[in-house]
Amino acid sequence: EILMTQSPGTLSVSPGERATLSCRASQSISINLAWYQQKPGQPPRLLIYRASTRATGVPARFSGSGSGTDFTLSINGLQSEDFAVYYCQQYSNWPPYTFGQGTKVEIK
Amino acid sequence: EVKLVESGGALVQSGGSLRLSCIVSGFTLSSYEMSWVRQSPGKGLEWIAYINSGGETTFYADSVKGRFTVSRDNARRSLYLQMNSLRVEDTAVYYCARVGFAVAGTFDLWGQGTLVPVSS
Repeated sequence: EILMTQSPGTLSVSPGERATLSCRASQSISINLAWYQQKPGQPPRLLIYRASTRATGVPARFSGSGSGTDFTLSINGLQSEDFAVYYCQQYSNWPPYTFGQGTKVEIK
Repeated sequence: EVKLVESGGALVQSGGSLRLSCIVSGFTLSSYEMSWVRQSPGKGLEWIAYINSGGETTFYADSVKGRFTVSRDNARRSLYLQMNSLRVEDTAVYYCARVGFAVAGTFDLWGQGTLVPVSS
């Protein structure tokens, strides 16, 4: 099973600033990585797939990068609606599909 | 409107059984692989079950293997999760999720979830 580790656990950022979230896989997953956003009381929403491709309707301020074992989600110019929990997920070697434990982006 | 709606969540005692349903609308269920993902209170996401488009192939997380069964009825636009021998640690919100068509392995559509509390 591939273990996904996200850091930091919580990220405090001021509105308008940039947030950088990390995700590391326990073995190479090529670019088979997705990012999700989850707001309180809501289901997750797919943001990024293939490590760097934005899903339909996702604003351009969200960008993903990386390959192999190390990945990054960047959010430029944080807006109020971006404060949420973000999860990475690998789909390279499954079952099982595995998620990271999440990074909470909170208002500084 | 494209959506998934789960139902069936209820308080159940440890050792009991429950069947969750997920009805889809706005797309053809038979064209998609589906999964169930759960989230324990205040915790992260855990994938627990997968079923292919025709229902012939299923996979499970080790945590539920032998206790949970995923099935589907494409004619009824429905996905199911039969949960037996429930444990306190199965307490979670259960989401049905559509596996992406263009990018298999991602979950591109989620229901709102249904809560299953398991008491001791």
